[in-house]
Amino acid sequence: QQQVKQSPQSLIVQKGGISIINCAYENTAFDYFPWYQQFPGKGPALLIAIRPDVSEKKEGRFTISFNKSAKQFSLHIMDSQPGDSATYFCAASPVGGGNKLTFGTGTQLKVEL
Amino acid sequence: ETGVTQSPTHLIKTRGQQVTLRCSSQSGHNTVSWYQQALGQGPQFIFQYYREEENGRGNFPPRFSGLQFPNYSSELNVNALELDDSALYLCASSAGQEVYGYTFGSGTRLTVV
Repeated sequence: QQQVKQSPQSLIVQKGGISIINCAYENTAFDYFPWYQQFPGKGPALLIAIRPDVSEKKEGRFTISFNKSAKQFSLHIMDSQPGDSATYFCAASPVGGGNKLTFGTGTQLKVEL
Repeated sequence: ETGVTQSPTHLIKTRGQQVTLRCSSQSGHNTVSWYQQALGQGPQFIFQYYREEENGRGNFPPRFSGLQFPNYSSELNVNALELDDSALYLCASSAGQEVYGYTFGSGTRLTVV
């Protein structure tokens, strides 16, 4: 059972453009929604995270938009750079944090010059 | 401050064999979680260890087992290896049982032939 659905599977964006990755979840007990960035040969690294009590969170060029009623959240990367080329994963964790993350299937982002 | 280190980085095993993967947690972290990441997929939670006890388990069979030591380092053991066990195995440490502040290692790439 895939509890977090992520799209698109891959994305090509021109340098300076906006990259948008979407996720949808099913479990209403989820209350922590992080995004991870993974480079080849490396483990995932936390980019930004949001709790459902806010609809948007921004850190530098990265923004999470959260729609609780639709059970959807998205990552926006503004002014995308070639160094942003990586695989991005959304994830979710249940009420109280719990002790595990449920990940989406990942989006491979390529930023072209 | 040292990060999460995993060893070995790569490993090739034959079907039916047993394997032990190792993880040293980040300084100050007392909890270790293990994830399996198949090629092209998001990480899947295997289990978590807190104070040397298993503290939550994902949908993995008993041939996946683990240990945590007094210094908070951890081992993942997999018996009777199957071809489908081929994956990147990630260790994440955290200061407490919650998923906030997870720090992932770079993983061990296991290939079962």
